[in-house]
Amino acid sequence: DVKVTQSSRYLVKRTGEKVFLECVQDMDHENMFWYRQDPGLGLRLIYFSYDVKMKEKGDIPEGYSVSREKKERFSLILESASTNQTSMYLCASSLFRGANEKLFFGSGTQLSVL
Amino acid sequence: AQTVTQSQPEMSVQEAETVTLSCTYDTSENNYYLFWYKQPPSRQMILVIRQEAYKQQNATENRFSVNFQKAAKSFSLKISDSQLGDTAMYFCAFMANFGNEKLTFGTGTRLTIIP
Repeated sequence: DVKVTQSSRYLVKRTGEKVFLECVQDMDHENMFWYRQDPGLGLRLIYFSYDVKMKEKGDIPEGYSVSREKKERFSLILESASTNQTSMYLCASSLFRGANEKLFFGSGTQLSVL
Repeated sequence: AQTVTQSQPEMSVQEAETVTLSCTYDTSENNYYLFWYKQPPSRQMILVIRQEAYKQQNATENRFSVNFQKAAKSFSLKISDSQLGDTAMYFCAFMANFGNEKLTFGTGTRLTIIP
């Protein structure tokens, strides 16, 4: 079975800190995604990538950047964390562009920015 | 842009009963895919069921089935013989068939199964 691993389950950071959220998948998937989940808002797409060194903006990219140097790893970066970025962050992966198959999700990182 | 609406923030049902979760969506696309995901307290999102819009037959997976009404843009999930392990957040999601692989999610329904 596909495994999507997020490096931290809980994270507490200070306002203004640079924050890295790491995600690794083990099934050679081409597509990777970062979502944030907030109560009453569901999941919203931040960034996604179809291949190494490729990135595309999602619906709410402001305040975030991403890095995909290796196929299996997709990092989300908060350049200067703010309190409104306190949220649950979910990483996901899927086969390849055009497959229209399901996304596999990690267990999420609950980030608190104080 | 596509939108997905789940109008029931919370629901509860007695164990062994049947429950239906509602989902409507808005799109101008003709070909697309619809999904129901379950998120239990462990936070791991799990695919429950997937429907291809060009298929008229409603998808089923054991106790889970959908009522897909394409003209009405409705995609409800029916859970039969509900079990305590069905307690979770349920998200409806939409994927257009033009190759961008993005899922657009609804706001979720928190389902509680009462023993």
